[in-house]
Amino acid sequence: DQQVKQNSPSLSVQEGRISILNCDYTNSMFDYFLWYKKYPAEGPTFLISISSIKDKNEDGRFTVFLNKSAKHLSLHIVPSQPGDSAVYFCAASKTQANQAGTALIFGKGTTLSVSS
Amino acid sequence: DTAVSQTPKYLVTQMGNDKSIKCEQNLGHDTMYWYKQDSKKFLKIMFSYNNKELIINETVPNRFSPKSPDKAHLNLHINSLELGDSAVYFCASSQVGTGLRDYNEQFFGPGTRLTVL
Repeated sequence: DQQVKQNSPSLSVQEGRISILNCDYTNSMFDYFLWYKKYPAEGPTFLISISSIKDKNEDGRFTVFLNKSAKHLSLHIVPSQPGDSAVYFCAASKTQANQAGTALIFGKGTTLSVSS
Repeated sequence: DTAVSQTPKYLVTQMGNDKSIKCEQNLGHDTMYWYKQDSKKFLKIMFSYNNKELIINETVPNRFSPKSPDKAHLNLHINSLELGDSAVYFCASSQVGTGLRDYNEQFFGPGTRLTVL
């Protein structure tokens, strides 16, 4: 059973517009969420994260919003650039105080295409 | 300066063979992981080691044996390879957070594409 779901396999956006990537999760024990970006033949690269004690985290053009009651998070990219074209993975974890090695549970990814 | 490196990048082998994939991180992290990305593109945890000690061992056939000679290395040995082992294997590392929470930002290697014929 998928605990982290990215229901849109792909998204196409024009350069300069906003990209919104969505992610839903089922496990209410998840308390830390991350977005990774992946180019072909490379490993996932960390983009931005959010703890469950927050509802928004911003880093430059990237903002992640968390709605705990809906078990939903989204990544906003504004403005979108052609170099943002990649696969975006949502991931979640259950952190425990001072415990190492917590696994990340990944969604299936959304392929973002930004056209110029 | 590669943070997490894996060798080889591509591995093509016959069924029944034994192979190893090596991973090294130069970030000074104390925790390392192996993930598998299957044909459906799901990235799933296989193993996690902290300071050379096994922490996570998901439901993985015992043909897969991780070995951590030191904190900076986590190798994956696979015996008697099967067709279903074909996948991309990613190594990752992270550092236990200071304070009360372990913010689990993991850094990934470039992946090893294993093809079993």
